[in-house]
Amino acid sequence: NAGVMQNPRHLVRRRGQEARLRCSPMKGHSHVYWYRQLPEEGLKFMVYLQKENIIDESGMPKERFSAEFPKEGPSILRIQQVVRGDSAAYFCASSLTTGISYEQYFGPGTRLTVT
Amino acid sequence: AQSVSQHNHHVILSEAASLELGCNYSYGGTVNLFWYVQYPGQHLQLLLKYFSGDPLVKGIKGFEAEFIKSKFSFNLRKPSVQWSDTAEYFCAVNGGENTDKLIFGTGTRLQVFP
Repeated sequence: NAGVMQNPRHLVRRRGQEARLRCSPMKGHSHVYWYRQLPEEGLKFMVYLQKENIIDESGMPKERFSAEFPKEGPSILRIQQVVRGDSAAYFCASSLTTGISYEQYFGPGTRLTVT
Repeated sequence: AQSVSQHNHHVILSEAASLELGCNYSYGGTVNLFWYVQYPGQHLQLLLKYFSGDPLVKGIKGFEAEFIKSKFSFNLRKPSVQWSDTAEYFCAVNGGENTDKLIFGTGTRLQVFP
């Protein structure tokens, strides 16, 4: 893999709890993307961030979900008051730049199970 | 809005058979096209990509794909599959208003039997 780190790899939460998913992009990459993969489906874009800025959150559910990418530290995807429908694999990707000819590198994903 | 269609949801082949997985997209402007592979229990890995130039793109592990603009297609091919090619394959596109995000197809699950 190109070095994108995600943790935890597996996360179990009871309904109503909070889930925090972390993503450390490849060294030198300042663009982070979060995708969600529901069972038997392809990946769906959620949010695109640059350092300290949310650029595109058109794929984020309107409630309970938030994301940040602080100046220091990993990007965090936060899901409040989780429900069973949030069970999915959450993938983070990073890229060196943006524009028409860039490439996204994916992390191993976090598999969230809500019981 | 852009969309990606992968019509083959599940493909079963014997080793040495030839493979072609279909991918069609819905945007008429300049696009970047990708094929990713996800082996069981692993993350997505890039197989190949098309940005511009020669429409026949060579990727890793003997895979190739052909961009046919008139058909809005980017089919993935391999002349002779191996058991180790068993995986899920995703076609993705970006471009136009979606430049900063990838739009994925629903994936094709390939099973190769020895």
